[in-house]
Amino acid sequence: EVQLVDSGGGLVQPGGSLRLSCAASGFTFSDYWMSWVRQAPGKGLEWVANIRGDEGAESYVDSVKGRFIISRDNAKNSLYLQMNSLRTEDTAVYYCVRWYLHTAWYFDLWGRGTLVTVSS
Amino acid sequence: DIQMTQSPSSLSASVGDRVTITCRASQTIGISLNWYQQKSGKAPEVLIYAASSLQSGVPSRFSGSGSGTDFILTITSLQPEDFATYYCQQSHTTPETFGQGTKVEI
Repeated sequence: EVQLVDSGGGLVQPGGSLRLSCAASGFTFSDYWMSWVRQAPGKGLEWVANIRGDEGAESYVDSVKGRFIISRDNAKNSLYLQMNSLRTEDTAVYYCVRWYLHTAWYFDLWGRGTLVTVSS
Repeated sequence: DIQMTQSPSSLSASVGDRVTITCRASQTIGISLNWYQQKSGKAPEVLIYAASSLQSGVPSRFSGSGSGTDFILTITSLQPEDFATYYCQQSHTTPETFGQGTKVEI
């Protein structure tokens, strides 16, 4: 079955760190760009970061640059998001998402999401 | 960053109604516009990509149109399972930005 299973969320204090993981299965993981998208409670969707299939190019939304690092291990079919210097405004459900190109780029496969709560 | 503006923010409709949601980009994005449906407590799912292409497995009552800066999502004959929040998203330029969402309610 083609799926993404994200994990690693939890409660963390402001200034703390957390590492999210995403396990991919059912497709050739290294062929795809991957992303993290987040959703604050009761709010809309926000793209956070992308990484190319060959573990190369990365990009980030400005609000997390210098604090978050996206990475992947293609041998383990896994995607990660290292989150440092967390702020209360980083509180959100974080989704692991596959980024697919077919005429246009779009997010075609989503994990169930993992909740990150930043609070003292 | 490209700003995406959806209207309306919410709407009330009945089963069988025709529903249209509009999305406007702050600059031209060609056809790099996607639509997602999100049901309460669930992850979003893509409905339409590249402005008008129907994702595999999505019912044909969903359709998309537009190019440049103005786009429309149409649901013909609304079904009970269509009550959800809908988001547009541009993939023309990083950061890939979403509209604020349109909640379709009974």
